Amino acid sequence: AQSVTQPDIHITVSEGASLELRCNYSYGATPYLFWYVQSPGQGLQLLLKYFSGDTLVQGIKGFEAEFKRSQSSFNLRKPSVHWSDAAEYFCAHNDMRFGAGTRLTVKP
Amino acid sequence: DGGITQSPKYLFRKEGQNVTLSCEQNLNHDAMYWYRQDPGQGLRLIYYSQIVNDFQKGDIAEGYSVSREKKESFPLTVTSAQKNPTAFYLCASRAGTGSSYGYTFGSGTRLTVV
Repeated sequence: AQSVTQPDIHITVSEGASLELRCNYSYGATPYLFWYVQSPGQGLQLLLKYFSGDTLVQGIKGFEAEFKRSQSSFNLRKPSVHWSDAAEYFCAHNDMRFGAGTRLTVKP
Repeated sequence: DGGITQSPKYLFRKEGQNVTLSCEQNLNHDAMYWYRQDPGQGLRLIYYSQIVNDFQKGDIAEGYSVSREKKESFPLTVTSAQKNPTAFYLCASRAGTGSSYGYTFGSGTRLTVV
């Protein structure tokens, strides 16, 4: 079945450290892929999206993601995490399905 | 500013009651969606609508109903047939389906059974 998988339920990083959140997909064709962020008790906000072209996409809040067809991955990265980045992050595909989410905790 | 408005923010339901969650958008988006969010389970699709007067069931439609009489409105009714309705409900919209458009989300309604 077509799916999007986020292998990490919870990640903790220190403020200022780099971050990588994993997302794997299982689709035959090149998918449309998205990353969203959700603060507690709020809706989701779109960080970035990929649908064609350059495999490294830039988003808001200093985030970027790289589409790797060979690894069926679309991992989200940030070079230096800020305390305000603590939230839940969702990878999603254009067929309306979302990954289970990765909760990010930022240590001072 | 354009966006999606969900109301109420908090809702309490007694056993056996039907309740309706409101979702309104002024983005002129064609497609609208309802998701349910439970801790550790991500977002699960309840219903979606690609055009006025038409909607389709998602993965967990049982115990829920929707209508799409106007482009800007997509209310969700949680019926008494939904045995475990306590959850966070999110409404979303986007300009089209099968496209590269991302979603715009509302701020959610937290439903609790009392």
